Formats: sequence, C-alpha cells, structure tokens
Amino acid sequence: KAGVTQTPRYLIKTRGQQVTLSCSPISGHRSVSWYQQTPGQGLQFLFEYFSETQRNKGNFPGRFSGRQFSNSRSEMNVSTLELGDSALYLCASSFVRSGANVLTFGAGSRLTVL
Amino acid sequence: AQTVTQSQPEMSVQEAETVTLSCTYDTSESDYYLFWYKQPPSRQMILVIRQEAYKQQNATENRFSVNFQKAAKSFSLKISDSQLGDAAMYFCAFPGGEKLVFGKGTKLTVNP
Repeated sequence: KAGVTQTPRYLIKTRGQQVTLSCSPISGHRSVSWYQQTPGQGLQFLFEYFSETQRNKGNFPGRFSGRQFSNSRSEMNVSTLELGDSALYLCASSFVRSGANVLTFGAGSRLTVL
Repeated sequence: AQTVTQSQPEMSVQEAETVTLSCTYDTSESDYYLFWYKQPPSRQMILVIRQEAYKQQNATENRFSVNFQKAAKSFSLKISDSQLGDAAMYFCAFPGGEKLVFGKGTKLTVNP
C-alpha cells in the first residue's frame, strides 16, 4: 500500500509569508503527527491529530496550526514566516493513538525561509 | 517530562564490523516502548527496531539488536556486519504521552 505522502517536497518562502503543507497518511491510519526537524533542535513535536481533532500540541507559537480532514489527510499551516522556521517538516501516521504504536513517516517537506 | 539522550553525535565503523549506538532516557513510567529509527541521507525515516520494556529479552531484527537495561534506563543499538547502506542518522525515541520524544541523533558513517 502507498506510504505517507507529503507535499510539496521543497519550497522557498520569504519572511512574513505563510505556508501550507499537506500530508496524506497510509490508508486506514487515523492518527497524523507533525514534527519539525532542524540541525540545532533535532526533532520536535508539533501536534497530533486523530479523528479530525487535535489531541496533543507541542511547544510552538500560535503561528503553527493544523487540521485533519474526514479522510485523515492533514495540513499544517505556518503564518508570518520567520527565518527560524526553515526546517524539514515531517508527517507521520499510525493506525491508533498509542505509545506503543509504530509511526510511519513521510519524506518530509523542506521549507526554506529567506 | 520524558527525555532521551544520545551522547554520540557521530560514530564511524568499518564495513563488516560491529558498532553500538548509545541512548539513555528518563521516565517514571514502568511499562513503555522504546524505538530506534533510521534516517538515511535525503530519505525518509524508518523504524529499525522496537523494544517493549516489560520484556526481559532484548529485541533483535536481523543484524540489528538492542541492549536494554531497564534499571539503568539505557537502550543501545548494536549493528552487526555493518553495511554501506547502514550509513544514516539514527534516532532513539521514547513515547512521551501520545507523542514520540526523540534524541538528537547519532550520525553513523560506514567506511568501505
């Protein structure tokens, strides 16, 4: 079956703009999590959605938001972009919410903010 | 709060040899899972191995095995017969609530 698909793979934005990233989970997976990966901070949890509801949120400013649709696809949005938002944004899906559950990751969306 | 520490930012190994990547964590929970994920250059992150804390036996997946020391809160990954394709960033991960908390990663280089 198809894996986790993230679009776009690469994008360049300027400060102050906003960006929307998309994630299509594995078919049947209802949980979608987002992580930000940077060389300095490593992998940091952004948020998790399950059944269209945000279940958990990381320590990020309100400029970072997301949503999940009825087909489990998820989007995340970053408004008023800052240089520090340059990162690889990873989406991961799992069948259920569980600390035991294995996450399947997408290839990521690499955002560069100029 | 759960924390995960990988003390080796970089490691190198000769092809066909064995290397061990270290990971320690902190938690007050008694029943949990631990994970090692691999992120090859410019490729997506994949699961290498998972360990259940209540199991005494260390998990093994082909050339990959763990040394899980629950009392010491240590979870190291051993890669035997290293191959060029093992070159990647390796992340130790621990569930913190309903999210994974990742270590900073260890960059593994495999020398031919």
